[in-house]
Formats: sequence, structure tokens, C-alpha cells
Amino acid sequence: QQQVKQSPQSLIVQKGGISIINCAYENTAFDYFPWYQQFPGKGPALLIAIRPDVSEKKEGRFTISFNKSAKQFSLHIMDSQPGDSATYFCAATDYGQNFVFGPGTRLSVLP
Amino acid sequence: DTGVSQDPRHKITKRGQNVTFRCDPISEHNRLYWYRQTLGQGPEFLTYFQNEAQLEKSRLLSDRFSAERPKGSFSTLEIQRTEQGDSAMYLCASRLGGQGATGELFFGEGSRLTVL
Repeated sequence: QQQVKQSPQSLIVQKGGISIINCAYENTAFDYFPWYQQFPGKGPALLIAIRPDVSEKKEGRFTISFNKSAKQFSLHIMDSQPGDSATYFCAATDYGQNFVFGPGTRLSVLP
Repeated sequence: DTGVSQDPRHKITKRGQNVTFRCDPISEHNRLYWYRQTLGQGPEFLTYFQNEAQLEKSRLLSDRFSAERPKGSFSTLEIQRTEQGDSAMYLCASRLGGQGATGELFFGEGSRLTVL
């Protein structure tokens, strides 16, 4: 019940394309859903986050879509750039206690 | 630079030796987390502190692992009698917990452990 599932495992997108990463959870107590970006040799860094009282949040080229009834959320990267090539993790937490992370998606954006 | 510092960045040790990692969180953050990350996987929760109190431990944290956060500032993670399966990146993160605080976790760059 604590698990967060994430797909795809890897993703290759052409420059300018849209990257879409999907996540699903079971624990209805989760109340905060962040996405983290990690470059090789670095720790994860917060990219964008959403709370379950909204269905969508947009920050620049990054958008989270949230479906509370389906217990699913996704990250959309518009106009993908080679600099976006990284590993992306979805996560969930209940009241900021334990943060549970998905297994990650390795994104490669081809020039 | 997230402000969370970890030391050492890389530790190579022989099986059976003890190792200790240190984490200095962002100064005003009262919550501190330890995660373990293996290649191609997401961070796995190990334990977290609120101030000096250790509030939760994962079952991944065997009795060879111990974490402390004396005085609610820096934290140490010690692994005794290391095994090759302990080879991983150990990530520390901190955040400000409590009413009105955001949920953002700030991660350090990690301490990579290699057990030979």
C-alpha cells in the first residue's frame, strides 16, 4: 500500500517533443505528490509538486496532471530539451512523514 | 547548491569494516531523512528524525545500521560489519516540518559506499 508505481522505465524523445511519465499509488492517505529530477552523481531535486485538491499544476514547460479517483498522476514535459535528460522520480507522502519514491524514469532527449 | 552537506562523498571499504556517514542539514530544518539508492532505483526510505527524535525506521534498517541526530542538528548513519549488499548511495534530505511548511525535501549529493 506504500508503493508508488512509475512508468515507463525509460523514455527517448526528440527535441521539441512531449515527454510523459505516469505514476500510480494505493494509499489514500497520501496528500502531497512531488516530482524530483536527478542528474548523474547528484541528489534528487524538486521539480514540481501537487496536492490532491487540484487536478493540474503548471510551471513553465512542466505540468502535473492529477486524477484523484484513479489514484494516478503524471508529469508532462513540453518542448523537451536535451538538458532535460535525467532520471525523474515521482513520490508521495502523507503529512510529510515518510516520502515514498517511484523506481524512476530515465529520460533521454535527442538533439 | 541545496544546502544539505554529506561527508564523505565516496567511501570504499572492505567487507566487515564499519563506516559512518555524516549529514549536515539546512540549519532551520527540523526534519532529517536518510535514504538508500541503488543503481537504477528510486530512493528507499531508511529512517527520519524530527529534531533529535528518531520517529520512524524502515525494516530495511537492520540492526547493523544505526542513525543518530544528537541535539537535533547534524546526523550520522553508521553501518557495522559492512556487507557487499550495502554498496549503494546513501542520501540525506531535510525539510521544515510543521504547520504551514511546504513538503519540499532538500537532498544532499549523497555518500557513495563501495564494499569490496
